[in-house]
Amino acid sequence: DVKVTQSSRYLVKRTGEKVFLECVQDMDHENMFWYRQDPGLGLRLIYFSYDVKMKEKGDIPEGYSVSREKKERFSLILESASTNQTSMYLCASSLLAGGATDTQYFGPGTRLTVL
Amino acid sequence: TQLLEQSPQFLSIQEGENLTVYCNSSSVFSSLQWYRQEPGEGPVLLVTVVTGGEVKKLKRLTFQFGDARKDSSLHITAAQPGDTGLYLCAGDWGAQKLVFGQGTRLTINP
Repeated sequence: DVKVTQSSRYLVKRTGEKVFLECVQDMDHENMFWYRQDPGLGLRLIYFSYDVKMKEKGDIPEGYSVSREKKERFSLILESASTNQTSMYLCASSLLAGGATDTQYFGPGTRLTVL
Repeated sequence: TQLLEQSPQFLSIQEGENLTVYCNSSSVFSSLQWYRQEPGEGPVLLVTVVTGGEVKKLKRLTFQFGDARKDSSLHITAAQPGDTGLYLCAGDWGAQKLVFGQGTRLTINP
């Protein structure tokens, strides 16, 4: 069975803290993605990676960075958390590099609250 | 930025009724996907449509891709409480990434 896991289901942080969200997939997928999901806005792509050490900005990269040192792990970093980064964060992976019709497999999400 | 508009955003109906959800854009997609998300979980792919005019069926769910590949619809026949969830369409313009609609939150009342 395909599995994408995220390090935390719920996280509460204070403004200005550095926050790490971890995502691991066990399917040997090339592509990995980070989205945020807000009511009425759907999923918005923050960053994606199509190979180890490769990353591409998505639609809303400001205030975020990412790291992919190993194929199975993709980390999202909030350098200095702000209240407007309170959201649900979803990680996903897909098999074929460049194949945008591929199935994306999602983790269960991390609900981050920044106070 | 490419946009996908879903309608309606909220829909609450009785068990046994039929419903249709729409996904529209001013741009042409190379493909379109529909996902369903249940509370506390990530979205799960239901279907991918690629060819203009294509119709795909998944039990009581029928997915249609517009002839011009700018729009899509999801029709559910005889809705059941288990169909409750957030339905998301996602379009690919060939840029290695998907753009998602804002979602339709569907509630089926017993």
